[in-house]
Amino acid sequence: KQEVTQIPAALSVPEGENLVLNCSFTDSAIYNLQWFRQDPGKGLTSLLLIQSSQREQTSGRLNASLDKSSGRSTLYIAASQPGDSATYLCAVAGNTPLVFGKGTRLSVIA
Amino acid sequence: GAGVSQSPSNKVTEKGKDVELRCDPISGHTALYWYRQSLGQGLEFLIYFQGNSAPDKSGLPSDRFSAERTGGSVSTLTIQRTQQEDSAVYLCASSPSGIGSYEQYFGPGTRLTVT
Repeated sequence: KQEVTQIPAALSVPEGENLVLNCSFTDSAIYNLQWFRQDPGKGLTSLLLIQSSQREQTSGRLNASLDKSSGRSTLYIAASQPGDSATYLCAVAGNTPLVFGKGTRLSVIA
Repeated sequence: GAGVSQSPSNKVTEKGKDVELRCDPISGHTALYWYRQSLGQGLEFLIYFQGNSAPDKSGLPSDRFSAERTGGSVSTLTIQRTQQEDSAVYLCASSPSGIGSYEQYFGPGTRLTVT
């Protein structure tokens, strides 16, 4: 059974810092990995999708990497801003619908 | 274009009553998913529809939960005889095709509170 773990559970950083969020998964037989953002009381916004054959994806200040063999992904956020404050969720797609981690709650302090 | 929509956005119901939650997927998406997000539990898969295939119901927590998808588009999640532990945010997602390489797009969710 696929299990997804996100570390840390919560993170508080001053504005302008670069930061890394970690995601690990137990079964490397995946099709893709998605990173989502969730604001309080809102649905999920897809940030980046990495196919299993890819090593990384970039969108603006965000960069996600995938090491399928070791079951790890990282989300790198450059030059963090208060507007980045949200919960970040990692999810993997295999032969079952998405399996989610419990998220990292990020606070960027102005 | 229009994204995934869900209704109602909030629902408060008394224990024991039945509720119906609706999801309108992105037009043309053949795959539709329901997930539940409970406080402290994270997001868990409930049910998955792909085209005309039989749905994957493996995530439904009990036989009080059921879902249907009419005409390959709109889906309704029904919870019978609601219990307090059913209180959660119910999220719907759709994708261009089934499980695999396709990105899932999520709706805003329905917050269900059972009193």
